[in-house]
Amino acid sequence: AQSVTQLDSQVPVFEEAPVELRCNYSSSVSVYLFWYVQYPNQGLQLLLKYLSGSILVKGINGFEAEFNKSQTSFHLRKPSVHISDTAEYFCAVSVTGDYKLSFGAGTTVTVRA
Amino acid sequence: GAVVSQHPSWVICKSGTSVKIECRSLDFQATTMFWYRQFPKQSLMLMATSNEGSKATYEQGVEKDKFLINHASLTLSTLTVTSAHPEDSSFYICSALPTPGPYEQYFGPGTRLTVT
Repeated sequence: AQSVTQLDSQVPVFEEAPVELRCNYSSSVSVYLFWYVQYPNQGLQLLLKYLSGSILVKGINGFEAEFNKSQTSFHLRKPSVHISDTAEYFCAVSVTGDYKLSFGAGTTVTVRA
Repeated sequence: GAVVSQHPSWVICKSGTSVKIECRSLDFQATTMFWYRQFPKQSLMLMATSNEGSKATYEQGVEKDKFLINHASLTLSTLTVTSAHPEDSSFYICSALPTPGPYEQYFGPGTRLTVT
């Protein structure tokens, strides 16, 4: 079975500063990786996904993530955050070819002016 | 596009009663939908996979007789919590996988269930 660990439960950051959210996964087989964002009182929205190909994945709203197979990591980054990026962020993994997702515990990002 | 709705968004019921939650894909068809449960400040836990026209597949530890899932059409899946108890109080979230479509689940906004 696969599992996901999000290393930071809360990340406070100032507006226009960079942010990195860390995600490590464990799996004995190849996986697909995802980052989702959940704004208050809204459903989860996909930020980006890694299925294959380039290890650097660009997503929506200026986010990007890098797949590191040797370190089994999929960290999410944004070079300059906005107040509107305040939200809960979830890393998720699925076994290649399977649609079921396993989620990390989530990281709360709070952007301050 | 790719909108998933849930109804109701919030429900309170008395212990021992049943409550039904609907999940609809509004602008696409979904052969497969998923039901998750989310506790406060915690992650989403997959409860079951709902397949149109066939029985749902439940994750280990989920009581299928308590959480009844019906995927009656390509745009609707329902979750019925039977004989609800206070420990069933939670946030229930559904997602839908477009058919055919990208390898991406679209999530509903969730339903908060409170059992008194």
